[in-house]
Amino acid sequence: AQSVTQPDIHITVSEGASLELRCNYSYGATPYLFWYVQSPGQGLQLLLKYFSGDTLVQGIKGFEAEFKRSQSSFNLRKPSVHWSDAAEYFCAVGMDSSYKLIFGSGTRLLVRP
Amino acid sequence: DAGITQSPRHKVTETGTPVTLRCHQTENHRYMYWYRQDPGHGLRLIHYSYGVKDTDKGEVSDGYSVSRSKTEDFLLTLESATSSQTSVYFCAISAGLAGGSTDTQYFGPGTRLTVL
Repeated sequence: AQSVTQPDIHITVSEGASLELRCNYSYGATPYLFWYVQSPGQGLQLLLKYFSGDTLVQGIKGFEAEFKRSQSSFNLRKPSVHWSDAAEYFCAVGMDSSYKLIFGSGTRLLVRP
Repeated sequence: DAGITQSPRHKVTETGTPVTLRCHQTENHRYMYWYRQDPGHGLRLIHYSYGVKDTDKGEVSDGYSVSRSKTEDFLLTLESATSSQTSVYFCAISAGLAGGSTDTQYFGPGTRLTVL
């Protein structure tokens, strides 16, 4: 069955430090990959998406993600975290010919001053 | 921001009562979705619609029904609310030019529902 795993429930980083959030998926064909961010009490905002082409994808707010087919991964990175990045981050996979997005369980990012 | 509103934003109800949540979009997008969000589960699809009067079930559809009589409105109904349906409910839309899950979904602000 298709699935998305975000192995880190919580991550704490210091402001200015680099960040990497992990996402692994299970799917037999090329997936469509998304990262969303959710601030407390808010809806989900799209950070970036990968459909095809260049495997390094740039998004909003200085985030980027790299699709690695051999590792079934789509990790999210940011070189220098800001306090305003504290939020919950969701990885999602969309599959061709299906209307379903499968979400990971999320990673909550805490930022130390 | 995509033009999506959800109403009500907060609701407290009692077990056994019917509840209807509304999602309204101003984008004229073809596809609309209802998800529920619970701690440790991310978001799970309840029902989706691919056009007026065209709907289908998602992975957690038991106890829920939906209707779409106009492009802009997608209603989620809990016929007889139970405590297990306490959750945050999100509506999403997509243009669906290439197909639902291959197109970007944009989310509404959510409705927090508590069933006592």
